[in-house]
Amino acid sequence: AQSVTQPDIHITVSEGASLELRCNYSYGATPYLFWYVQSPGQGLQLLLKYFSGDTLVQGIKGFEAEFKRSQSSFNLRKPSVHWSDAAEYFCAARRSNDYKLSFGAGTTVTVRA
Amino acid sequence: NAGVTQTPKFQVLKTGQSMTLQCAQDMNHNSMYWYRQDPGMGLRLIYYSASEGTTDKGEVPNGYNVSRLNKREFSLRLESAAPSQTSVYFCATLSLNNEQFFGPGTRLTVL
Repeated sequence: AQSVTQPDIHITVSEGASLELRCNYSYGATPYLFWYVQSPGQGLQLLLKYFSGDTLVQGIKGFEAEFKRSQSSFNLRKPSVHWSDAAEYFCAARRSNDYKLSFGAGTTVTVRA
Repeated sequence: NAGVTQTPKFQVLKTGQSMTLQCAQDMNHNSMYWYRQDPGMGLRLIYYSASEGTTDKGEVPNGYNVSRLNKREFSLRLESAAPSQTSVYFCATLSLNNEQFFGPGTRLTVL
């Protein structure tokens, strides 16, 4: 069965420090991959997506993600976090010929001053 | 453009009551979705509609029904609410370039 795993439930990072959020997927073929961010009480906003091609993807708000086929991973990174990056982050995937999107359980990011 | 709108924003029901969550979009997207979000479980797909006139079950359809009223509107109905259906419900659409757009959510409590 297809699945998306986010191993870290909660990460705390200092403002200005780098951030990396892990995501692993289990699909027969490389799926479409997404990262979403959810601020408290809000809906989800797309940060970036990967379909094919260049394995380093740039997104909004200074985020980037790297696709690694050998590790079935699509990790999200930001070189220097801001207090406004405190939120919940979701990795998601779907097969290219399917309408259904599967989400990971999410990683909550806390930013300390 | 309002994007994806959902009503109501909050709702409290008693066990056994019924209600319909409404979703509307003005982006002319063909596909629409209903998710529920529970702590520690991410978003789980309840039902989706790939296009007007079609609906399909997702991961957790039991206890729910949907109606794709037209291209703009996709409603989710709970016929007999249960405490296990306490959750935050999100409606979403899918654009031609494979981006999902989410509504602001409906927070439902079933007592």
